[in-house]
Amino acid sequence: EALLLESGGGLVPPGGSLRVSCEASGFTFKNFAMSWVRQAPGKGLEWVSGISGSGTNTYYADSLKGRFNISRDNSRNMVFLEMNSLRVEDTAVYYCARDPDGANWFAPWGQGTLVIVSS
Amino acid sequence: DIQMTQSPSTLSASVGDRVTITCRASQTISRWLAWYQQKPGKAPKLLIHQASILEGGVPSRFGGSGSGTEFTLTITSLQPEDFAIYYCQQYHTSPTFGQGTKVEIK
Repeated sequence: EALLLESGGGLVPPGGSLRVSCEASGFTFKNFAMSWVRQAPGKGLEWVSGISGSGTNTYYADSLKGRFNISRDNSRNMVFLEMNSLRVEDTAVYYCARDPDGANWFAPWGQGTLVIVSS
Repeated sequence: DIQMTQSPSTLSASVGDRVTITCRASQTISRWLAWYQQKPGKAPKLLIHQASILEGGVPSRFGGSGSGTEFTLTITSLQPEDFAIYYCQQYHTSPTFGQGTKVEIK
């Protein structure tokens, strides 16, 4: 069974940085693209970023304007999201999700990690 | 970005009801559409991709249809465990989600 487990969320002040991680198990990690999707409290879903299986290609939502960086370590079955210049509006649960065929639909999802940007 | 609009935003229904949720795209997306179910405090779960392909393990009472700009998710006989929020998502271009439809108990 494919499983994803996020970690690294927490409280960070506006303007700060944070890296969240996602550890995968139960499948051949390097064969799958991965994405991060976030959900602000009480709101809907927003795709944030994606990365190809090899890590060569990365993609970002236009709204992030270069503040976030996605990476992966296939030797450790992990994907990361480094978030810089954080804003209050970045407060959300951040989910990592597997992309089954590289087409940008997602299954499964991890349980999420909460990032709170507040002073 | 392609905008996805779901209707209704909230749907009140009873166990056993047939339920239909509509998702409209701001431009054509062929059949590049997925549906997810999310329960409180949980991660979204994929139900359907490519507009009508049921994910393994998802009950057959869930069905998807549509192409182009208009899509529907149908639950043929609503079960207690189906009360949740449902999201559509297009993947014709950079992924975007609908705002969600909450299916609540009538």
